[in-house]
Amino acid sequence: QLQQSGPGLVRPSQTLSLTCDISGDRVSSNVVAWTWIRQSPSRGLEWLGKTYFKSKWYSDYAAAVKGRLTINSDTSKNQFFLQLTSVTPEDTAVYYCARERAVAGTFDFWGQGTPVIVSS
Amino acid sequence: EIVVTQSPATLSVSPGERATLSCRVSKSISTYLAWYQQKPGQAPRLLIYNASNRATGIPARFSGSGSGTDFTLTINSLEPEDFAVYYCFGGTFGGGTKVEIK
Repeated sequence: QLQQSGPGLVRPSQTLSLTCDISGDRVSSNVVAWTWIRQSPSRGLEWLGKTYFKSKWYSDYAAAVKGRLTINSDTSKNQFFLQLTSVTPEDTAVYYCARERAVAGTFDFWGQGTPVIVSS
Repeated sequence: EIVVTQSPATLSVSPGERATLSCRVSKSISTYLAWYQQKPGQAPRLLIYNASNRATGIPARFSGSGSGTDFTLTINSLEPEDFAVYYCFGGTFGGGTKVEIK
């Protein structure tokens, strides 16, 4: 199970920070990846990036947000995080965390979604 | 960058009939394609992974096929709870197909 938390309103140019709490699995599992996906009426469903552990930690990011997005984790709290800097109204969306299984693109568990509005 | 195109955008089907949804990917992805169902106010739900494997708990009326660049999701004998939006993912998400009641 994945439980999301974070603010619903962020000011333009600020940083959006979201947390995903994991239960029933380990963030350090070496057979899954931990992913952030967002959805908006204008952009549809958009894969943002993921973090995963295979002897060491790796992160991959979508080209559209690379340079602004950081996804990392806290093994002691079994959580992973999204930090998106320099947000604009275009970043307004529902943000989801999800688990990706071994076969690429297999998002088998999802968080409940966090609606985020970027507005002054 | 991979482009994923779904068709049709909207499919009107009567309960009990079959729905056939298409997903085309701009370059070959072997069978690395998944299908998701989304209802209003809910997160997407995994239906099919690796093009043709049903996820846990998904009824047998859902089936997936295809490889390379062309994929199909078939829903046999539509139930009332099947009317929803369906997305495919093959590196990026498609734009979705809304299956509505005819």
